[in-house]
Amino acid sequence: DAGVTQSPTHLIKTRGQQVTLRCSPKSGHDTVSWYQQALGQGPQFIFQYYEEEERQRGNFPDRFSGHQFPNYSSELNVNALLLGDSALYLCASSLDWGARETQYFGPGTRLLVL
Amino acid sequence: EDKVVQSPLSLVVHEGDTVTLNCSYEVTNFRSLLWYKQEKKAPTFLFMLTSSGIEKKSGRLSSILDKKELFSILNITATQTGDSAVYLCAALSSSSGSARQLTFGSGTQLTVLP
Repeated sequence: DAGVTQSPTHLIKTRGQQVTLRCSPKSGHDTVSWYQQALGQGPQFIFQYYEEEERQRGNFPDRFSGHQFPNYSSELNVNALLLGDSALYLCASSLDWGARETQYFGPGTRLLVL
Repeated sequence: EDKVVQSPLSLVVHEGDTVTLNCSYEVTNFRSLLWYKQEKKAPTFLFMLTSSGIEKKSGRLSSILDKKELFSILNITATQTGDSAVYLCAALSSSSGSARQLTFGSGTQLTVLP
């Protein structure tokens, strides 16, 4: 049973560039959430996708956008990168009902903005 | 604003010691409290607590939730060097419709010395 996968594992960009991160959810899961984890901090919620729509968003600017595909995989896009966007980006998948709403995390993408 | 606070921020113990990690939360539309262990990248799921006063156990780890006082504790008995990690507490909440999000604390860095 494949867990949550993310690509790439590491990425280096310069300020002003754009980046796309990818996530495939755990088999059978239909909901994908994205989190940003700065060094020494807990993850912060960016947004959640379900049925190919963003249904909840955290306190992040519009530079952060996403997409969910019919196979439930998801992308996170960040435009006009800032130095402060350097972080570990985590994707979590879950099943959208009842007691199975535990979120399982992928290994993350480490983004460095220079 | 939703808030999760963990204490202590860091802890250094010797193998065989017992540790207690604390988590308090103030979250609107609270659903459950989750504990994760983060060693390198992906937080790995430990417990999901929904009901107050019911202890969950997994080997040497146990956790309990107090929904009246809004806190949870994670106990680790007979600690081993492999328990060294950051332990994250997160409150799962619901908002519009069935959207769910996790609000994380900053984590407790546990170091177990041989």
